[in-house]
Amino acid sequence: QVQLQESGPGLVRPSQTLSLTCNVSGGSINTSGYYWSWIRQHPGKGLEWIGLIYYTGSTYFDPSLKSRSSISVDTSKNQFSLRLNSVTAADTAVYYCASNSRPGDWYFDLWGRGTLVTVSS
Amino acid sequence: DIQMTQSPSSLSASVGDRVTITCRASQGISNYLAWYQQTPGNAPKLLMYAASTLQSGVPSRFSGSGSGTDFTLTISGLQPEDVATYYCQKYNSVPWTFGQGTKVEIK
Repeated sequence: QVQLQESGPGLVRPSQTLSLTCNVSGGSINTSGYYWSWIRQHPGKGLEWIGLIYYTGSTYFDPSLKSRSSISVDTSKNQFSLRLNSVTAADTAVYYCASNSRPGDWYFDLWGRGTLVTVSS
Repeated sequence: DIQMTQSPSSLSASVGDRVTITCRASQGISNYLAWYQQTPGNAPKLLMYAASTLQSGVPSRFSGSGSGTDFTLTISGLQPEDVATYYCQKYNSVPWTFGQGTKVEIK
C-alpha cells in the first residue's frame, strides 16, 4: 500500500527557508484523483493544513500561509516538497505529509510519521 | 473562510461511558466532515468520513452524525485505548480546516 515519509532538516535558522520532502512509495504520485498535502502541528497544539498539490501541478494553500509557501512535485522521484520562506520561531512544528488513498476523496487516510522542524538560531 | 469549532476542548470520562464530541462549522458544509484520532507521538488516524461513514478497521463503538453546520462524534463505551485527541476536518472546499481538538481522558 501507499506509504509517505517526510525528510528534511530538523533545524532551520530564523529568516531562512524551510524545505521538506515527502517520498511516496507503493503508488504513483502522478495519478488523477490524489491530493498531496502538508499539515503541521505546533508543539502541544492542533492540526493546521498548509496546502496541497495535485498531480497536474495545481496548488492550494491556507490563506494564512499562502504568501510564504510553495509546494512542488517531482514525478520522476515520486516526491512532493514544501518550501516555507522567512521562517520564525512560530514555524516550529511537526510537519506531516498526508494524502487520500481512494481517488477523489478529500480527507486524509494516509499520513507520514511527521518530522519536527525547529526554527532557532 | 469556514471555521470549525469543537467542544468541549477536553473531557474526562469513565471506562464504559458514552462520550460525545461536537464540531460546528461557521457555514454549511453538507456532510463533508471527517474525524481523526491522534494519540501522543503519533500521526492522526482517520476515524470517520462523510460525517457518519466509519473508516475500515475502526471499532463500531465510534459513530458520527450531523449535516450542514452541526456534527457529533460519539464513543459508545469508552475504552482505555480511546485516550487521545480528536479532531474534525471539513473538506467541502479548500482551505481544508481542522477543529482545535478535543482531548479525551479516562477518569
